[in-house]
Amino acid sequence: DVKVTQSSRYLVKRTGEKVFLECVQDMDHENMFWYRQDPGLGLRLIYFSYDVKMKEKGDIPEGYSVSREKKERFSLILESASTNQTSMYLCASRSTSGRYNEQFFGPGTRLTVL
Amino acid sequence: AQSVTQLGSHVSVSEGALVLLRCNYSSSVPPYLFWYVQYPNQGLQLLLKYTSAATLVKGINGFEAEFKKSETSFHLTKPSAHMSDAAEYFCAVVNTNAGKSTFGDGTTLTVKP
Repeated sequence: DVKVTQSSRYLVKRTGEKVFLECVQDMDHENMFWYRQDPGLGLRLIYFSYDVKMKEKGDIPEGYSVSREKKERFSLILESASTNQTSMYLCASRSTSGRYNEQFFGPGTRLTVL
Repeated sequence: AQSVTQLGSHVSVSEGALVLLRCNYSSSVPPYLFWYVQYPNQGLQLLLKYTSAATLVKGINGFEAEFKKSETSFHLTKPSAHMSDAAEYFCAVVNTNAGKSTFGDGTTLTVKP
């Protein structure tokens, strides 16, 4: 089974702190994604990565950056956390072999910024 | 450009009743369509996917969806709801070139005893 793990289920940070959210997948997937999920807004793509060291902005990248130094790990960084970044963050990965590949999701990190 | 519209943010059915969750899409290329389910405090997991092999797609837990190109729809159905079906459901369309998915806003399904 594909497993996508996220470093924390719950996280509480203060405004202005630098926050790291880590995601690891164990299936050698090329693509990885970071989403935020807010009630009534569905999933919104923050950043995604085609492969190691490759990244592309999603729909809402402002206030975030990412790092992908190794294939299995994709980190989301909040340079200076703000209260409007309080949200559920979901990581996903996807294989590029085959045409109809779904994304596999981690359990999510619920981040609260005070 | 691609987009997904899920009609109805909340759907409530009685146990044993038909479940119908609506999804309409727009896509400039032939779409790859997915339904995911999210149980409380969990990530999303795949229910089913449309791969163009057949318009009626069967998924896990008794769910199925029918792709109707003329209506640009991919509605999710289940003949008889179970209490364990209570969850949030997301429809997604994939940009085949980039692998990025666009998700609908989600529909929360409540099942009443």
